[in-house]
Amino acid sequence: EAGVTQFPSHSVIEKGQTVTLRCDPISGHDNLYWYRRVMGKEIKFLLHFVKESKQDESGMPNNRFLAERTGGTYSTLKVQPAELEDSGVYFCASSQDVSGTQYFGPGTRLLVL
Amino acid sequence: AQTVTQSQPEMSVQEAETVTLSCTYDTSESNYYLFWYKQPPSRQMILVIRQEAYKQQNATENRFSVNFQKAAKSFSLKISDSQLGDTAMYFCAFMELGTGSYQLTFGKGTKLSVIP
Repeated sequence: EAGVTQFPSHSVIEKGQTVTLRCDPISGHDNLYWYRRVMGKEIKFLLHFVKESKQDESGMPNNRFLAERTGGTYSTLKVQPAELEDSGVYFCASSQDVSGTQYFGPGTRLLVL
Repeated sequence: AQTVTQSQPEMSVQEAETVTLSCTYDTSESNYYLFWYKQPPSRQMILVIRQEAYKQQNATENRFSVNFQKAAKSFSLKISDSQLGDTAMYFCAFMELGTGSYQLTFGKGTKLSVIP
C-alpha cells in the first residue's frame, strides 16, 4: 500500500511569488491534514479535510493560504503571495477515521527568499 | 490551549543501552490520545506508539514502551536495547477527543543520537 506522498519535495521561490504544494493521501483515507514546521519551532496544525469538506481550518495563518481537496482525493495548498516567514516544512497526513492514527508524508521544504 | 513540552532538545545513548525521552502536556480534557512519532534523518515521520488516555495500561511496541502518568500529565518514551536505526527526531503529540477538532498538537522534539 502506498503511503502519503507530497510534491514537490523542495521548493525555492522569491517573496511575492506563488507556490502550490500537493498531497496524495493513502487510498481510502477520507481525512487529510496539513501541518507546518517553521525552523526551530513546533509542528503546527493548519487544517483538516473530511473528504472534500474543510472540517477545521483554525490553524490557517492568513488568507494568503488556500487549501483545496476537489473530489476528496488529493489536496493542494497554495501560498499567494509568499512571504519570508512562510519558509518551513509543510507536512501532509491522512487517516481513515477522524480519531485514527495520522500517517505523514515526507514533507515539502519551502524556502522563500 | 493545550501544550506539549519536551524538555530535552537533544539526547544521546550508547548502542544497546536504554534511554527515556520525557514529555509533559497540559489539557483540561479527560478524553484524549497521546502519540510518539519518529522522524529519521531525511526520512518521513512514522508512528512509534499510541496511548489512549482511558487505558491505564502503558502501551508497548517491541523495544518501545511508555510511562503514562495521567494525573501528572506525563508521557515518557522508553527505548530499550537502542539500535543505530533509532537515531531520529522524536516528537510527542496529543489529540483531544470530543471537541470537534482532531488536530495533533506537537512538542518541539528531541533529537536522539545512538552512538556505536
